[in-house]
Amino acid sequence: AQKVTQAQTEISVVEKEDVTLDCVYETRDTTYYLFWYKQPPSGELVFLIRRNSFDEQNEISGRYSWNFQKSTSSFNFTITASQVVDSAVYFCALSESPNFGNEKLTFGTGTRLTIIP
Amino acid sequence: EAGVTQFPSHSVIEKGQTVTLRCDPISGHDNLYWYRRVMGKEIKFLLHFVKESKQDESGMPNNRFLAERTGGTYSTLKVQPAELEDSGVYFCASSQVSVGGPTYEQYFGPGTRLTVT
Repeated sequence: AQKVTQAQTEISVVEKEDVTLDCVYETRDTTYYLFWYKQPPSGELVFLIRRNSFDEQNEISGRYSWNFQKSTSSFNFTITASQVVDSAVYFCALSESPNFGNEKLTFGTGTRLTIIP
Repeated sequence: EAGVTQFPSHSVIEKGQTVTLRCDPISGHDNLYWYRRVMGKEIKFLLHFVKESKQDESGMPNNRFLAERTGGTYSTLKVQPAELEDSGVYFCASSQVSVGGPTYEQYFGPGTRLTVT
């Protein structure tokens, strides 16, 4: 069965510092997708990124970057020059063997990130 | 374009009562998912609709939970009778159906916070 582990329950950093959120996953499938979602205080889950298992290229989007390493089953998320608006709970998730009609997500427990002004 | 909406945002009921949660997906999204987050734990999959058909109910905790999606548009999740352990945040998500292609990201609603006392 699939599993996603976010070992960091809470992280606090001072504004402008860089911070990395860890995500380790387990799956027996060779084809899968990894996701990161942000949950701000308003409550909704905001999609950040989707990565398929065949694409190990790192991705950068503004201050956000993601490091996908199949060898260690990790999909870590780094925020550079953090800002107060980055304060939220961040969830890593896995979708296995995307078949027609079955793409349910398995989530980690989330990491609460607090950026201190 | 309107996002996924959920109603109510918050519901407080007594043990033994009935509650119905509603989700309106993004227009054109045939996939509709229900998830639940119990306090401090991971977000867990409940079930998945493709249009009006239930594709996967493997996450439904027991037969006190009934989900419907008549007409393939909005969905309801009824809990009857509610128990204390049903408290949590119920999320709805929708996505486009992928046919043999990449998994599309799921767009989440703000959730319904259910408190059973």
